[in-house]
Amino acid sequence: QKEVEQNSGPLSVPEGAIASLNCTYSDRGSQSFFWYRQYSGKSPELIMFIYSNGDKEDGRFTAQLNKASQYVSLLIRDSQPSDSATYLCALHGSSNTGKLIFGQGTTLQVKP
Amino acid sequence: DTAVSQTPKYLVTQMGNDKSIKCEQNLGHDTMYWYKQDSKKFLKIMFSYNNKELIINETVPNRFSPKSPDKAHLNLHINSLELGDSAVYFCASSQVGGVNTEAFFGQGTRLTVV
Repeated sequence: QKEVEQNSGPLSVPEGAIASLNCTYSDRGSQSFFWYRQYSGKSPELIMFIYSNGDKEDGRFTAQLNKASQYVSLLIRDSQPSDSATYLCALHGSSNTGKLIFGQGTTLQVKP
Repeated sequence: DTAVSQTPKYLVTQMGNDKSIKCEQNLGHDTMYWYKQDSKKFLKIMFSYNNKELIINETVPNRFSPKSPDKAHLNLHINSLELGDSAVYFCASSQVGGVNTEAFFGQGTRLTVV
């Protein structure tokens, strides 16, 4: 079983719709969870992090965490073509090293 | 100012050669990393240094040798390059501690072994 699993997609949504990206993880000791966005040929950039159960909102982005179900999600409201990218779910392992464990990423396509 | 910079951005080399990638961060972070992203975009950690001390060494062939002369620099030397080493290598840095240890990534080095 992979430590972090994401559906590789592509996930295609029309402009203005809500894009829902999902991620599951296997290590119950994981504490912090991150969503990175990576445009083609570019480096990953952090969108949001979450460490408490529930929702966390930042602009058009909402991260959701359910530790009991070992599930993290990212909602993007009012999706724009500029949101088209690969979204990487990552977590910190139990050790305090800063090491990030990534999922394989979900490719999002927002069609005008 | 670039926070995490790595050079070169592109590297094309023949099998069997030795090459190095350099990384520097000006964020004052205490920890630096090398990640490898394969052709399927899977990003996986290779090494981590905290204040010049190696703290993470994943199952990486010993042809790969990181070196950290100081906490702002982390280099990666690769001996006897193989076709399977072709990938994008990202340097990153963070200040470890707390629940939000955000990692900042360099622009990546696309290594192509022919």
